[in-house]
Amino acid sequence: NAGVTQTPKFQVLKTGQSMTLQCAQDMNHNSMYWYRQDPGMGLRLIYYSASEGTTDKGEVPNGYNVSRLNKREFSLRLESAAPSQTSVYFCASGQVEGTEAFFGQGTRLTVV
Amino acid sequence: GIQVEQSPPDLILQEGANSTLRCNFSDSVNNLQWFHQNPWGQLINLFYIPSGTKQNGRLSATTVATERYSLLYISSSQTTDSGVYFCAVKNSGGSNYKLTFGKGTLLTVNP
Repeated sequence: NAGVTQTPKFQVLKTGQSMTLQCAQDMNHNSMYWYRQDPGMGLRLIYYSASEGTTDKGEVPNGYNVSRLNKREFSLRLESAAPSQTSVYFCASGQVEGTEAFFGQGTRLTVV
Repeated sequence: GIQVEQSPPDLILQEGANSTLRCNFSDSVNNLQWFHQNPWGQLINLFYIPSGTKQNGRLSATTVATERYSLLYISSSQTTDSGVYFCAVKNSGGSNYKLTFGKGTLLTVNP
């Protein structure tokens, strides 16, 4: 019972490089989310996907793109990484109508 | 958007002590969750509690939705309870897909 799986767990990028964070869930959830966590800021929503085929911006979408590849997978892409994107990224999934969300183990990203 | 405030921001306890963490929110909600972020960074689901009271071992939670607050009680605290406790809510008005987090309570339990 894997739940929500994120890859990679750690990554160091140089400014301007691109990368994709992968997320997969095996709970048959409709909704998936990407958050970033910065010291003293709690978790802030980057993008979410209410259902397969739809994506919407959250609080802090600038510099990111997402793809809902299928019901299980939701990826987050940094096209040109910046030091301000140094953070811990969490993927989450849940059902549509206000039910419990579950989080992956996080990806610690450093941009130098 | 909905605002979520947690208090206190920091709490230091001796092992065995009890504590109460509070979460206030600014609008009606249809989802409220409490999470524990352990020292390794994992977010552990504690309670899904949009209203009412639940208990799980030494932890219990109460949400009074009409008064827009939730409380998390930790009894007989242990060092393994240390970490950050987050409250997160979904606003029942408007988009109900966004889970909005408070800034958390940092709990340190000393032996």
